[in-house]
Amino acid sequence: GNSVTQMEGPVTLSEEAFLTINCTYTATGYPSLFWYVQYPGEGLQLLLKATKADDKGSNKGFEATYRKETTSFHLEKGSVQVSDSAVYFCALSRSFQKLVFGTGTRLLVSP
Amino acid sequence: NAGVTQTPKFQVLKTGQSMTLQCAQDMNHEYMSWYRQDPGMGLRLIHYSVGAGITDQGEVPNGYNVSRSTTEDFPLRLLSAAPSQTSVYFCATTPGTDGYTFGSGTRLTVV
Repeated sequence: GNSVTQMEGPVTLSEEAFLTINCTYTATGYPSLFWYVQYPGEGLQLLLKATKADDKGSNKGFEATYRKETTSFHLEKGSVQVSDSAVYFCALSRSFQKLVFGTGTRLLVSP
Repeated sequence: NAGVTQTPKFQVLKTGQSMTLQCAQDMNHEYMSWYRQDPGMGLRLIHYSVGAGITDQGEVPNGYNVSRSTTEDFPLRLLSAAPSQTSVYFCATTPGTDGYTFGSGTRLTVV
């Protein structure tokens, strides 16, 4: 079946450090891939997406590239801020009806 | 522009009680869904609907009922609450191609 694997957290960084959160997936066919972010006490917000191989999704300084050969969709940011502290979820969808989520990775950024 | 509205935000139930979690959207999307979020498990799909009068089961449907009489509303019913249903519940909607919009969640505790 379809599944998403994310790196365990928490990821602890100092402000302005480089961020990578790893995400790999297992799916039949060609899923769409997403990163969602959840700030404390809030629902999930779509951060970025990619719908086909080699697509790069980007938003708010975050980027992720759909790598079919390695079945990966790693999230990166060149310089994190304290305000980026949140839980990040990688997800895939083979049809828009069903999102499959990873377990989430908590990011903690200190000043 | 409310998006997706969930009520209540918090609820404590006794084992065996019933209740309905409300979800309303003003985005005129046909597709709506319910997820539960548990520590270390990401989000799991409970039920979903592709339009008024049409619902289907997700990954973890047992103990929950849904109905969809209008495009706007998609309530989730717990018939006889159990401690295993202690969780945070999210309602979500999508137009099908641009990712999901989530509500802010209902935190449910069953004692």
